[in-house]
Amino acid sequence: DAEITQSPRHKITETGRQVTLACHQTWNHNNMFWYRQDLGHGLRLIHYSYGVQDTNKGEVSDGYSVSRSNTEDLPLTLESAASSQTSVYFCASSETTEQFFGPGTRLTVL
Amino acid sequence: EDQVTQSPEALRLQEGESSSLNCSYTVSGLRGLFWYRQDPGKGPEFLFTLYSAGEEKEKERLKATLTKKESFLHITAPKPEDSATYLCAGRTQGGSEKLVFGKGTKLTVNP
Repeated sequence: DAEITQSPRHKITETGRQVTLACHQTWNHNNMFWYRQDLGHGLRLIHYSYGVQDTNKGEVSDGYSVSRSNTEDLPLTLESAASSQTSVYFCASSETTEQFFGPGTRLTVL
Repeated sequence: EDQVTQSPEALRLQEGESSSLNCSYTVSGLRGLFWYRQDPGKGPEFLFTLYSAGEEKEKERLKATLTKKESFLHITAPKPEDSATYLCAGRTQGGSEKLVFGKGTKLTVNP
C-alpha cells in the first residue's frame, strides 16, 4: 500500500547542530508540505513543494530549508537548531486537494 | 489575514450524547474546508472536504456541514473511540494548495 513515512520518529539534539528530518511518500504525489505542531498554535506551514526542484516558504520558514530532488522525498533541514524549534514535525503530501499526513517526528533541542 | 477558529477548545461528552464542533473561517476565496481527526502521537487523518455552502458529508457518526462563514462537525451518539482532536482547515484562493489550520477541538467521550 502507498504511504508516507517520516524518520526519525524521535530526535534529541543540541543547540547549534544541523538536523535533517526525512519524509518519503510512495503515492507519487507532486505536492509535499512540512508543518510544525505546538500547543496553542496548531499546525503551521514551514515549507512546501509543488514538484521536483520547486520549493516555497510557508509562514514559519526562518531557520529551516528544504530541497526536492525527486518526487518521493522532501527532507527538512534545521541549519542551526534552536530551542524554539523543539516541536512535533509533520510531513504531508497531496495530488489535488486532500493532504495526507505522516506519523510525525518529535524533535527536542537542548 | 486568513484565519480559522475552532470552538470549543475541549469538549467532554458521555457516550451517546450528541453534540457539534464549530469551525469559523475568514479565508479569502475559500476553495475547500477540510476536517481531520488526530489521535495522540499520530498524524492527522483526513475526514471530509466541503466546497460550497449547504454541502453536507457523512461518515459513520460524523456529519460535516458548511455555511458561508462556518462549518460544523456533528457527532451523533458518540462512542469512546470517537475521542480525538478534530482539526479544521481552509484552503485559500488562487493556485495555492496551502491549508490554514485551526487549533483543534479535543473531544473526550466517556463510557
